[in-house]
Amino acid sequence: DTAVSQTPKYLVTQMGNDKSIKCEQNLGHDTMYWYKQDSKKFLKIMFSYNNKELIINETVPNRFSPKSPDKAHLNLHINSLELGDSAVYFCASSQGVKESEAFFGQGTRLTVV
Amino acid sequence: GQQVMQIPQYQHVQEGEDFTTYCNSSTTLSNIQWYKQRPGGHPVFLIQLVKSGEVKKQKRLTFQFGEAKKNSSLHITATQTTDVGTYFCAGRGAQKLVFGQGTRLTINP
Repeated sequence: DTAVSQTPKYLVTQMGNDKSIKCEQNLGHDTMYWYKQDSKKFLKIMFSYNNKELIINETVPNRFSPKSPDKAHLNLHINSLELGDSAVYFCASSQGVKESEAFFGQGTRLTVV
Repeated sequence: GQQVMQIPQYQHVQEGEDFTTYCNSSTTLSNIQWYKQRPGGHPVFLIQLVKSGEVKKQKRLTFQFGEAKKNSSLHITATQTTDVGTYFCAGRGAQKLVFGQGTRLTINP
Protein backbone atom coordinates (compact mmCIF):
# COMPACT_ATOMS: atom_id res chain seq x y z
CA ASP A 1 0.00 0.00 0.00
CA THR A 2 1.21 3.47 -0.87
CA ALA A 3 1.60 5.57 2.28
CA VAL A 4 0.75 8.94 0.70
CA SER A 5 -1.12 8.78 -2.57
CA GLN A 6 -2.06 11.61 -4.88
CA THR A 7 -4.32 11.66 -7.88
CA PRO A 8 -3.97 12.39 -10.68
CA LYS A 9 -0.26 11.90 -11.41
CA TYR A 10 -0.44 14.08 -14.50
CA LEU A 11 -2.84 16.90 -15.28
CA VAL A 12 -2.86 18.93 -18.49
CA THR A 13 -5.44 21.67 -18.71
CA GLN A 14 -6.19 24.99 -20.34
CA MET A 15 -5.82 28.40 -18.77
CA GLY A 16 -8.90 29.51 -16.91
CA ASN A 17 -10.05 26.02 -15.98
CA ASP A 18 -10.68 24.79 -12.45
CA LYS A 19 -9.02 21.57 -11.29
CA SER A 20 -8.59 19.50 -8.14
CA ILE A 21 -5.82 17.27 -6.84
CA LYS A 22 -6.58 14.67 -4.20
CA CYS A 23 -4.32 13.33 -1.48
CA GLU A 24 -4.76 10.53 1.00
CA GLN A 25 -2.43 9.12 3.62
CA ASN A 26 -2.80 5.81 5.44
CA LEU A 27 -0.06 6.43 8.01
CA GLY A 28 -2.35 7.72 10.73
CA HIS A 29 -0.57 11.09 10.67
CA ASP A 30 -2.28 14.21 12.00
CA THR A 31 -0.51 16.77 9.80
CA MET A 32 -0.66 17.14 6.03
CA TYR A 33 0.98 19.57 3.62
CA TRP A 34 0.92 20.81 0.08
CA TYR A 35 4.23 21.78 -1.53
CA LYS A 36 4.83 23.29 -4.96
CA GLN A 37 8.01 22.37 -6.84
CA ASP A 38 8.84 24.65 -9.74
CA SER A 39 11.01 23.96 -12.77
CA LYS A 40 14.13 24.83 -10.76
CA LYS A 41 13.24 22.11 -8.24
CA PHE A 42 12.57 24.61 -5.46
CA LEU A 43 10.16 23.09 -2.91
CA LYS A 44 7.90 25.73 -1.44
CA ILE A 45 5.32 25.04 1.22
CA MET A 46 1.81 26.21 0.38
CA PHE A 47 -0.44 24.91 3.13
CA SER A 48 -0.32 22.82 6.25
CA TYR A 49 -3.19 21.22 8.13
CA ASN A 50 -3.03 19.74 11.61
CA ASN A 51 -6.04 17.68 12.69
CA LYS A 52 -8.09 19.19 9.86
CA GLU A 53 -7.26 22.74 10.95
CA LEU A 54 -5.34 25.07 8.64
CA ILE A 55 -2.13 26.11 10.42
CA ILE A 56 -0.02 27.44 7.57
CA ASN A 57 -1.09 29.45 4.56
CA GLU A 58 2.00 30.78 2.80
CA THR A 59 0.65 33.80 0.89
CA VAL A 60 -0.71 31.58 -1.81
CA PRO A 61 -3.20 33.22 -4.21
CA ASN A 62 -6.75 32.67 -3.06
CA ARG A 63 -7.40 30.79 -6.31
CA PHE A 64 -5.87 27.88 -4.36
CA SER A 65 -8.20 26.41 -1.78
CA PRO A 66 -7.23 23.39 0.31
CA LYS A 67 -9.84 21.22 1.95
CA SER A 68 -9.32 18.60 4.62
CA PRO A 69 -12.48 16.54 5.14
CA ASP A 70 -10.67 14.36 7.69
CA LYS A 71 -7.14 13.79 9.00
CA ALA A 72 -6.33 11.31 6.24
CA HIS A 73 -7.24 13.55 3.32
CA LEU A 74 -6.08 16.91 2.04
CA ASN A 75 -7.33 18.04 -1.34
CA LEU A 76 -6.26 21.06 -3.36
CA HIS A 77 -8.65 22.93 -5.60
CA ILE A 78 -7.35 25.51 -8.03
CA ASN A 79 -9.62 28.04 -9.74
CA SER A 80 -8.91 29.98 -12.92
CA LEU A 81 -5.64 28.23 -13.68
CA GLU A 82 -2.77 30.36 -14.99
CA LEU A 83 0.36 29.43 -16.94
CA GLY A 84 2.48 30.13 -13.87
CA ASP A 85 0.65 27.42 -11.94
CA SER A 86 2.46 24.78 -13.99
CA ALA A 87 4.60 22.81 -11.55
CA VAL A 88 4.75 19.57 -9.64
CA TYR A 89 2.53 19.60 -6.56
CA PHE A 90 3.51 17.31 -3.69
CA CYS A 91 1.31 16.27 -0.84
CA ALA A 92 3.09 15.18 2.34
CA SER A 93 2.20 14.08 5.84
CA SER A 94 3.90 13.86 9.21
CA GLN A 95 3.03 13.06 12.79
CA GLY A 96 2.95 16.37 14.58
CA VAL A 97 4.43 19.65 13.39
CA LYS A 98 7.75 19.70 15.20
CA GLU A 99 9.97 16.70 15.14
CA SER A 100 8.98 14.03 12.70
CA GLU A 101 9.92 13.33 9.11
CA ALA A 102 7.61 14.13 6.23
CA PHE A 103 6.38 11.42 3.88
CA PHE A 104 5.74 12.63 0.35
CA GLY A 105 3.31 11.48 -2.30
CA GLN A 106 4.52 10.78 -5.82
CA GLY A 107 3.55 14.25 -6.99
CA THR A 108 1.09 15.66 -9.51
CA ARG A 109 2.62 17.26 -12.58
CA LEU A 110 0.29 20.09 -13.57
CA THR A 111 0.73 21.64 -17.00
CA VAL A 112 -1.37 24.66 -17.90
CA VAL A 113 -1.52 25.43 -21.63
CA GLY B 1 10.59 34.87 7.52
CA GLN B 2 12.70 31.79 7.93
CA GLN B 3 15.05 31.08 5.02
CA VAL B 4 17.20 28.07 4.32
CA MET B 5 20.00 28.48 1.78
CA GLN B 6 21.77 25.53 0.22
CA ILE B 7 24.92 25.43 -1.90
CA PRO B 8 26.01 24.50 -4.43
CA GLN B 9 22.97 24.38 -6.66
CA TYR B 10 24.60 21.85 -8.99
CA GLN B 11 27.53 19.47 -8.61
CA HIS B 12 28.93 17.14 -11.22
CA VAL B 13 31.53 14.59 -10.13
CA GLN B 14 33.32 11.56 -11.45
CA GLU B 15 32.19 8.31 -9.91
CA GLY B 16 34.35 7.64 -6.88
CA GLU B 17 34.86 11.30 -6.01
CA ASP B 18 33.48 12.84 -2.84
CA PHE B 19 30.56 15.26 -2.69
CA THR B 20 29.46 17.83 -0.11
CA THR B 21 26.41 20.07 0.10
CA TYR B 22 25.98 22.85 2.65
CA CYS B 23 22.90 24.31 4.25
CA ASN B 24 22.50 27.59 6.17
CA SER B 25 19.48 28.92 7.98
CA SER B 26 18.68 32.53 8.79
CA THR B 27 17.30 31.42 12.17
CA THR B 28 18.16 28.83 14.80
CA LEU B 29 16.53 25.52 13.99
CA SER B 30 14.94 23.01 16.33
CA ASN B 31 16.13 20.29 14.00
CA ILE B 32 17.28 19.75 10.44
CA GLN B 33 16.27 17.01 8.06
CA TRP B 34 17.81 15.78 4.82
CA TYR B 35 15.89 14.38 1.88
CA LYS B 36 16.88 12.85 -1.43
CA GLN B 37 14.85 13.18 -4.61
CA ARG B 38 15.73 10.90 -7.51
CA PRO B 39 15.06 12.25 -11.03
CA GLY B 40 11.31 12.04 -11.66
CA GLY B 41 10.70 10.95 -8.08
CA HIS B 42 9.55 12.45 -4.83
CA PRO B 43 11.58 13.58 -1.81
CA VAL B 44 12.49 10.72 0.51
CA PHE B 45 13.61 11.27 4.08
CA LEU B 46 17.23 10.40 4.84
CA ILE B 47 17.92 11.59 8.36
CA GLN B 48 17.13 14.10 11.10
CA LEU B 49 19.65 15.94 13.29
CA VAL B 50 18.51 17.48 16.53
CA LYS B 51 21.45 18.21 18.82
CA SER B 52 24.00 20.98 18.48
CA GLY B 53 27.18 19.61 16.88
CA GLU B 54 25.56 16.27 16.08
CA VAL B 55 27.21 14.00 13.51
CA LYS B 56 25.46 10.98 12.03
CA LYS B 57 26.60 8.45 9.46
CA GLN B 58 24.74 6.25 7.06
CA LYS B 59 27.24 4.06 5.20
CA ARG B 60 29.04 6.52 2.87
CA LEU B 61 26.90 9.51 3.95
CA THR B 62 27.95 11.78 6.83
CA PHE B 63 25.58 14.42 8.18
CA GLN B 64 26.58 17.27 10.50
CA PHE B 65 24.59 19.85 12.45
CA GLY B 66 26.41 23.03 13.40
CA GLU B 67 27.09 24.11 16.96
CA ALA B 68 24.76 27.08 16.65
CA LYS B 69 22.07 24.91 15.03
CA LYS B 70 21.95 27.20 12.00
CA ASN B 71 23.95 25.19 9.49
CA SER B 72 24.37 21.63 8.33
CA SER B 73 26.25 19.59 5.77
CA LEU B 74 25.95 16.29 3.94
CA HIS B 75 29.11 14.59 2.72
CA ILE B 76 29.12 11.54 0.46
CA THR B 77 32.36 9.57 0.25
CA ALA B 78 33.26 7.78 -2.98
CA THR B 79 30.09 8.55 -4.93
CA GLN B 80 28.30 5.85 -6.88
CA THR B 81 25.86 6.24 -9.75
CA THR B 82 23.02 5.37 -7.38
CA ASP B 83 23.75 8.63 -5.51
CA VAL B 84 22.42 10.69 -8.44
CA GLY B 85 19.58 13.00 -7.46
CA THR B 86 18.77 16.24 -5.69
CA TYR B 87 19.61 16.52 -2.02
CA PHE B 88 17.52 18.86 0.11
CA CYS B 89 18.01 20.08 3.60
CA ALA B 90 14.90 21.15 5.46
CA GLY B 91 14.85 23.19 8.62
CA ARG B 92 12.11 23.05 11.20
CA GLY B 93 11.06 26.43 12.50
CA ALA B 94 7.70 27.40 13.87
CA GLN B 95 5.29 24.66 12.77
CA LYS B 96 6.73 24.26 9.31
CA LEU B 97 9.44 22.54 7.38
CA VAL B 98 11.32 24.96 5.13
CA PHE B 99 13.36 23.39 2.35
CA GLY B 100 16.62 24.63 0.90
CA GLN B 101 16.89 25.01 -2.87
CA GLY B 102 18.52 21.61 -3.18
CA THR B 103 21.81 20.46 -4.68
CA ARG B 104 21.49 18.45 -7.87
CA LEU B 105 24.20 15.80 -8.03
CA THR B 106 25.13 14.23 -11.36
CA ILE B 107 27.82 11.59 -11.72
CA ASN B 108 30.04 10.60 -14.61
CA PRO B 109 30.44 6.81 -14.51
